[in-house]
Amino acid sequence: GAVVSQHPSWVICKSGTSVKIECRSLDFQATTMFWYRQFPKQSLMLMATSNEGSKATYEQGVEKDKFLINHASLTLSTLTVTSAHPEDSSFYICSARPGPEGEKLFFGSGTQLSVL
Amino acid sequence: QKEVEQNSGPLSVPEGAIASLNCTYSDRGSQSFFWYRQYSGKSPELIMFIYSNGDKEDGRFTAQLNKASQYVSLLIRDSQPSDSATYLCAVNFGNEKLTFGTGTRLTIIP
Repeated sequence: GAVVSQHPSWVICKSGTSVKIECRSLDFQATTMFWYRQFPKQSLMLMATSNEGSKATYEQGVEKDKFLINHASLTLSTLTVTSAHPEDSSFYICSARPGPEGEKLFFGSGTQLSVL
Repeated sequence: QKEVEQNSGPLSVPEGAIASLNCTYSDRGSQSFFWYRQYSGKSPELIMFIYSNGDKEDGRFTAQLNKASQYVSLLIRDSQPSDSATYLCAVNFGNEKLTFGTGTRLTIIP
């Protein structure tokens, strides 16, 4: 299967600081990547769709000014959680697909964010 | 509202038996269906995908799709303790996104 790399695996930060998470497609180009958030014992919730060379599309209820997404190249998307607060503590996972719409989606290893 | 429904479980199955996981979805026009396995603290791992009505087998896993009844299931034969995980059903509703169910927690009892 295709490989999606995500970094860092976990991060602990103080309230009010910003955290950047990187997502890379290692063996394919991805014009579209997806960012999910997962709280304990809950399912994945799509936060936004990251589009190479254009603005991200955010799901309803997700603050675009708080969760900044940049898709600078065909293999890299970044999510920056700005002014993080304890309620932002969650498991953040990126994903991408090497094929066309409707095809298999592969996930990065996830980032566990803990905001103190 | 496009939805994917799963029984949250937990589902307990003896080692060596068949585990049966079910999923229903709301849009009859959906085209592609996926099963992901997620271990605690890890990200989802794709284990099966199916696009056409009927059965699709891959090793110990069989995915079954019935578009008329709007359900998709996953069978795990000869269940092993390492199969204990949460299984997520995901459906593509004709756009670029995948919608996930809440997952079914499966426990294989040695």
